[in-house]
Amino acid sequence: QQQVKQSPQSLIVQKGGISIINCAYENTAFDYFPWYQQFPGKGPALLIAIRPDVSEKKEGRFTISFNKSAKQFSLHIMDSQPGDSATYFCAASEGSSNTGKLIFGQGTTLQVKP
Amino acid sequence: DAEITQSPRHKITETGRQVTLACHQTWNHNNMFWYRQDLGHGLRLIHYSYGVHDTNKGEVSDGYSVSRSNTEDLPLTLESAASSQTSVYFCASSDRGRLGNEQFFGPGTRLTVL
Repeated sequence: QQQVKQSPQSLIVQKGGISIINCAYENTAFDYFPWYQQFPGKGPALLIAIRPDVSEKKEGRFTISFNKSAKQFSLHIMDSQPGDSATYFCAASEGSSNTGKLIFGQGTTLQVKP
Repeated sequence: DAEITQSPRHKITETGRQVTLACHQTWNHNNMFWYRQDLGHGLRLIHYSYGVHDTNKGEVSDGYSVSRSNTEDLPLTLESAASSQTSVYFCASSDRGRLGNEQFFGPGTRLTVL
C-alpha cells in the first residue's frame, strides 16, 4: 500500500526554469515531510523538510509548499540549474512518534538542460 | 567525520545462494534501516532496527533477514537469492529522539542475482 504518491516520474526543464514535483499522502497522522535528493551512484541526502504548521518553507532556490487540507505538498526549484539534475524523493513520517520511519514516494528524475 | 558505509558496493551472485550485505555507521545512531530502490517504486523499506537486539519487518521483508548485535552494524542477509531481489540496496541511520527523523544514507550496494 503506497501511502505517498509522487509525480511526475520524470521531468525535463530548461536551465533557468522552474521545476515542480508533487506528492500526495493519505495518512493524516503524518507530521513531517522531507525531500531527499539523490545523485547518480550516491545515496539520497536530505534537501529540505517541512512540518504542517507552516504552508511554505524556502531554502535558497528550493521551496516546499504544503496544503494540509488537500494532503498534498510540492517541491519547487527556482532558476533550475544543470547541477540540480538528480532524482528527488518526497517522504512522510509521524515525527512525533520518534520512530524514525519514513514512507517514500516513487521518485522523480529531473533533467535540467543547459 | 561520522559516516555510514556499505560493502560490497557491487555484488553478482547466483540464484539460491546466501548473500550478506554489510552496513556500518559511526554516527552512534540507534535507528538503522535497509531499503531497496527499484525504478518506479522509489525506496521501499525492508527491515529496520531501533537498537541492539531489536529488529522489525518493513514493507518488503520476505526473503530478507537482519540482526543487530551492536550499535554500529546492521547486516542484511538474503537467505536464498532470487532474481527478483536484483536491486540497489541502501542502508540508512537516524538518531532516536532527534526532531525531524533525518536519515543518513550509505552509498548503496548494487546486487545482481543471475
